[in-house]
Amino acid sequence: EAQVTQNPRYLITVTGKKLTVTCSQNMNHEYMSWYRQDPGLGLRQIYYSMNVEVTDKGDVPEGYKVSRKEKRNFPLILESPSPNQTSLYFCASSLFESRGPMEQYFGPGTRLTVT
Amino acid sequence: AQSVAQPEDQVNVAEGNPLTVKCTYSVSGNPYLFWYVQYPNRGLQFLLKYITGDNLVKGSYGFEAEFNKSQTSFHLKKPSALVSDSALYFCAVREGGTYKYIFGTGTRLKVLA
Repeated sequence: EAQVTQNPRYLITVTGKKLTVTCSQNMNHEYMSWYRQDPGLGLRQIYYSMNVEVTDKGDVPEGYKVSRKEKRNFPLILESPSPNQTSLYFCASSLFESRGPMEQYFGPGTRLTVT
Repeated sequence: AQSVAQPEDQVNVAEGNPLTVKCTYSVSGNPYLFWYVQYPNRGLQFLLKYITGDNLVKGSYGFEAEFNKSQTSFHLKKPSALVSDSALYFCAVREGGTYKYIFGTGTRLKVLA
């Protein structure tokens, strides 16, 4: 089954404790992206990757890091989480077509709480 | 800079009636436009997209959207709403030549039996 998986699905942590949220897709998609969803703000793009070793900032990259060492994986790293990073996080992937990435396939989400 | 606006936080419609969820956008170049639906405790699911060509785009579950370049709008429509259409709907845009997506704030659709 074609899918995007994220782990963990739920995470409660404390301020300053480094964490990684994993994302993996089995569709051989070139484009991958991370979003956060907050009430009243919709989805905001954190980082995206056009292919292995190629990443760029979205609209809200502060406090986050990413890496793309393999095509299928795109982990999101919070080196020193703070309470304002409490949010619902989504990973997504897309084929990179002639006009660029198009419709995205989303993972089930990771609900992160930072106390 | 790219932007997307969904002016209605919530839309209520009676089952069987037509529904419209509004979206307007702002980009400098050519827009690629998308609609997604989110059911409770789920990720987003793709409904339809506009790339080029015919202004009326048909998508999943009987939804369609009309691209209007002069009004910079991409409203989502369905001729006859179902209770099961109740969900959160997001409009998104990517400007041609860029790889960044901008999503709207979402519109909650409630279809009343």
